[in-house]
Amino acid sequence: SQQGEEDPQALSIQEGENATMNCSYKTSINNLQWYRQNSGRGLVHLILIRSNEREKHSGRLRVTLDTSKKSSSLLITASRAADTASYFCATDLSGGYQKVTFGTGTKLQVIP
Amino acid sequence: DTGVSQDPRHKITKRGQNVTFRCDPISEHNRLYWYRQTLGQGPEFLTYFQNEAQLEKSRLLSDRFSAERPKGSFSTLEIQRTEQGDSAMYLCASSSFGTGEYEQYFGPGTRLTVT
Repeated sequence: SQQGEEDPQALSIQEGENATMNCSYKTSINNLQWYRQNSGRGLVHLILIRSNEREKHSGRLRVTLDTSKKSSSLLITASRAADTASYFCATDLSGGYQKVTFGTGTKLQVIP
Repeated sequence: DTGVSQDPRHKITKRGQNVTFRCDPISEHNRLYWYRQTLGQGPEFLTYFQNEAQLEKSRLLSDRFSAERPKGSFSTLEIQRTEQGDSAMYLCASSSFGTGEYEQYFGPGTRLTVT
């Protein structure tokens, strides 16, 4: 079963715009990770945020985590056509034992 | 090391046949995971190993599925008596547990089509 639900399911934006996608989950987590999947490079890890962190940055990516609302958001700034992909949140429910459960994904299309 | 590799990349089989997939993880990784992904969904956990020990098996994994990692290096996933519902992408990932690194590195997947 899927733990996380991403929202929106699909998103289409123009190159240069920002993209925001959200993930909601159901139970307490140790950490939350975001992955990207496209046909060219498969599934790739983007960023991890631990349950005691509220915000994290990596390049053009910004992740926030609200454990009281059981939700996270991924912001991609200044999007590029190469950002076109599906984005999944993955939650570690196993107390840090690295067994993650993936969400349903947001399909992002960046139009050049 | 060139990353996680999977073989074959595509497999077409007839219902009722057995199939076996292989995964070669990143050599220094002690954890190996198998997932199944269907169109429009996220990867679903099937099973994982730490070294040669199989630590957990999902309830999704019926008795027709078996996975091994005999020497703690490569792993195989076998599906016996395949059914059309087994058609999916089977993904393998590896990670280094106990080092503080949480990232899982994924292979390109094996796409199974059961006709």
